[in-house]
Amino acid sequence: NAGVTQTPKFRVLKTGQSMTLLCAQDMNHEYMYWYRQDPGMGLRLIHYSVGEGTTAKGEVPDGYNVSRLKKQNFLLGLESAAPSQTSVYFCASSYSSNVDTEAFFGQGTRLTVV
Amino acid sequence: GENVEQHPSTLSVQEGDSAVIKCTYSDSASNYFPWYKQELGKRPQLIIDIRSNVGEKKDQRIAVTLNKTAKHFSLHITETQPEDSAVYFCAAPNYGGATNKLIFGTGTLLAVQP
Repeated sequence: NAGVTQTPKFRVLKTGQSMTLLCAQDMNHEYMYWYRQDPGMGLRLIHYSVGEGTTAKGEVPDGYNVSRLKKQNFLLGLESAAPSQTSVYFCASSYSSNVDTEAFFGQGTRLTVV
Repeated sequence: GENVEQHPSTLSVQEGDSAVIKCTYSDSASNYFPWYKQELGKRPQLIIDIRSNVGEKKDQRIAVTLNKTAKHFSLHITETQPEDSAVYFCAAPNYGGATNKLIFGTGTLLAVQP
């Protein structure tokens, strides 16, 4: 039982390049989330999904797109990377359709855009 | 939408002392308040949570108190140990819009000095 797994763990991009971060969970969770973590800013919600085939915008969605084609996977895409997107990205999932359940986090992806 | 404020941003205590971190929230409908601990280079993990039908919850050396009238909740760590050093995040639900989501505070870096 791996829990929540993110791929890759580290990445360096040049400005304007694109990439996709993959999040996979094996706990049959309905809810999945993408957060970014910046110094002094805490965890800010980028996009989230309440079930397969559905996505919604969080607090800071600009510059990112997501897809949830399969229940166990949640992809975060950067179409044209910018230095402001340098951050640590965390994926999380939770069991219930109610927000008041534990969120399980992946190990994080450290992205640097130069 | 929900606004979660967390204080202090950094906290340094001597080993054996107590530490208190406070969060305030804006949505009076919020009824679930978790605390997450993130050790250096690791993923955030849930350490304790409280629901609005109780005012206090304890788990060994950690406790959380909730004041619904004042809309604030606090994390209390007693007899601090070096392994308590980490970033602590509070969170509260946002019930606005079509779906619910969890909003995190900006985090508190706790340093326990041996």
